[in-house]
Parts: sequence; structure tokens; C-alpha cells
Amino acid sequence: DSGVTQTPKHLITATGQRVTLRCSPRSGDLSVYWYQQSLDQGLQFLIQYYNGEERAKGNILERFSAQQFPDLHSELNLSSLELGDSALYFCASSVVTDEAFFGQGTRLTVV
Amino acid sequence: QKEVEQDPGPLSVPEGAIVSLNCTYSNSAFQYFMWYRQYSRKGPELLMYTYSSGNKEDGRFTAQVDKSSKYISLFIRDSQPSDSATYLCAMSVAGGGNKLTFGTGTQLKVEL
Repeated sequence: DSGVTQTPKHLITATGQRVTLRCSPRSGDLSVYWYQQSLDQGLQFLIQYYNGEERAKGNILERFSAQQFPDLHSELNLSSLELGDSALYFCASSVVTDEAFFGQGTRLTVV
Repeated sequence: QKEVEQDPGPLSVPEGAIVSLNCTYSNSAFQYFMWYRQYSRKGPELLMYTYSSGNKEDGRFTAQVDKSSKYISLFIRDSQPSDSATYLCAMSVAGGGNKLTFGTGTQLKVEL
């Protein structure tokens, strides 16, 4: 158990809908990262938050957004969902430059 | 050309064998190098985290980094069936989980 908790584990939704994925980082970790894993793209960095503020952006679509709350948990919002958004979404946390630990992921299926 | 290249396998070895997994990279700015193990449909599990060139050992696992050749390796000694998984190399410029660039992963199967 990495100590990073993600909910829900599975999500099935229709095209055009909006979903929210939730992540609770390890105790003491100020940085939260979101990654997307699809069969054709592998693991891709989406976005990083550090102590509530956006720190870095990767290949995140404009339809996607994230935030980190004062208690350090983070949410990834995916809207206007398309079939191609079906993937595993992982959250990871770390103490700045130390090792990053991943959660078990949320499997999103868009039908 | 991808920034990180990794042979996808699959790689099949008998129990007890020494396994060698490798990645090459093109971005000389990468400073932090990691190996993750991922079981099917689970989250990546950190195995090794290194910063500098050289070797780092942890139990049955040894990570090697050769920055001059832009080449990293993971060796698994006395491989076990429970080692069967996908192994992902990852690297970053800034450390932590920031903008990790992953290889595509090598699927390993250790057979009895």
C-alpha cells in the first residue's frame, strides 16, 4: 500500500458527461501529480499541484481541470467526455524532489 | 523518436534467472531515474530511485545508470514468479513526481 488513496476505483459514464476523480496523498506529501495511462500512449503526465497551487502542466486537455484543496487532497475534473478519454487515471504524491508514490488508479470507461 | 525507449517484450525467463531490463533516453537533462513495477490494472509501485550515475542495490534489485551513454538498467537476481509484471522506467529533470517521462514498459514473465 503506497498510502495514496484514489476514489472511485471504477467509473463508467456516457460521452458528453462530466466526472470527478479524487486523490488523497500520503501524509505529509505536499505535491500531487496526475497521470493518464492509455494502451496507445502509456503513462502521460497531466498536471502537478504543490500545496494548493498549480506547479506544472503536461499534456492535459482543456476539457480537464484539477485543483488541490487546503487539506491537500486533489480532484481531477474531466468534462465533455469522449470515447478516447477512457483510460486509467493515476494520482501520485511526493515530498518535492523525493520519490513519487502512485495510487491504485481510477479506471474510467466512457461509453 | 520517443524521449525514452524501452523494449516492450514480452520477456520470459525461468525461475531463478537473472533478469536484465533496459531503457535508453535522448534528453541529457534527465537527472532522476526510477524503476516502477506494475501488476495488471494496479498502480505503479516504486522499486528504485536514483539520482547519479553508478549502481544502487536493494535486495534482489540493482539499478545502473550510465549518463554518458544515456542508458539505465534494472537487474533482478533470483527471479521469482511473483516478479511477473510490467516494469516501467521513468526519468525526470526535477525529481519527485514532476513530469516523469515513462518508457512503454517491459512485460516480464517468470516461469516455474
